[in-house]
Amino acid sequence: GIQVEQSPPDLILQEGANSTLRCNFSDSVNNLQWFHQNPWGQLINLFYIPSGTKQNGRLSATTVATERYSLLYISSSQTTDSGVYFCALPHDKIIFGKGTRLHILP
Amino acid sequence: KAGVTQTPRYLIKTRGQQVTLSCSPISGHRSVSWYQQTPGQGLQFLFEYFSETQRNKGNFPGRFSGRQFSNSRSEMNVSTLELGDSALYLCASSLIPGAIPKSYNEQFFGPGTRLTVL
Repeated sequence: GIQVEQSPPDLILQEGANSTLRCNFSDSVNNLQWFHQNPWGQLINLFYIPSGTKQNGRLSATTVATERYSLLYISSSQTTDSGVYFCALPHDKIIFGKGTRLHILP
Repeated sequence: KAGVTQTPRYLIKTRGQQVTLSCSPISGHRSVSWYQQTPGQGLQFLFEYFSETQRNKGNFPGRFSGRQFSNSRSEMNVSTLELGDSALYLCASSLIPGAIPKSYNEQFFGPGTRLTVL
């Protein structure tokens, strides 16, 4: 089946820093979602991005479907950005990566 | 528009008991998927229901079952609970089956039910 790999698995940054999270996938897909799971467990939709680039405030995402990867950029990190970031792809079911755990220090 | 709701939010059971969790999707959404999240295994797909029919099933034992009602609300049941069933159970709703890659077919998640089995 399709493989989804996220890197890095863990990231600790100082408030104000920028970060790039990566999602690699092993098969061609027609869509991809990025989620942020907050410390209470809620999964928040960030981007629904099959290809190209989207921006929402300090966050942006780029998916290059032909090269089978997607990147999530977080600029000027805030402590509220802490949590786990997942990418997910539709296949015969939705496949999730193992996530990147981001911890922003005040 | 109200989001996905799950009840109860927290649950404590003992081994051998059974439990029923409920998920109400976003109004108009007909697909509900269930996921189990544990620290060791990450997010694992349990099953998906669309129009009251189970459309897809993950690799879980038969103790895990579910159903969907005509109003698209879904329940999942776990019988004969084991310690390893302690987890966060998440449900997600979408307009049509979640694996169909249409631009309007985002998955939206509920807040989850945290189950502890003692």
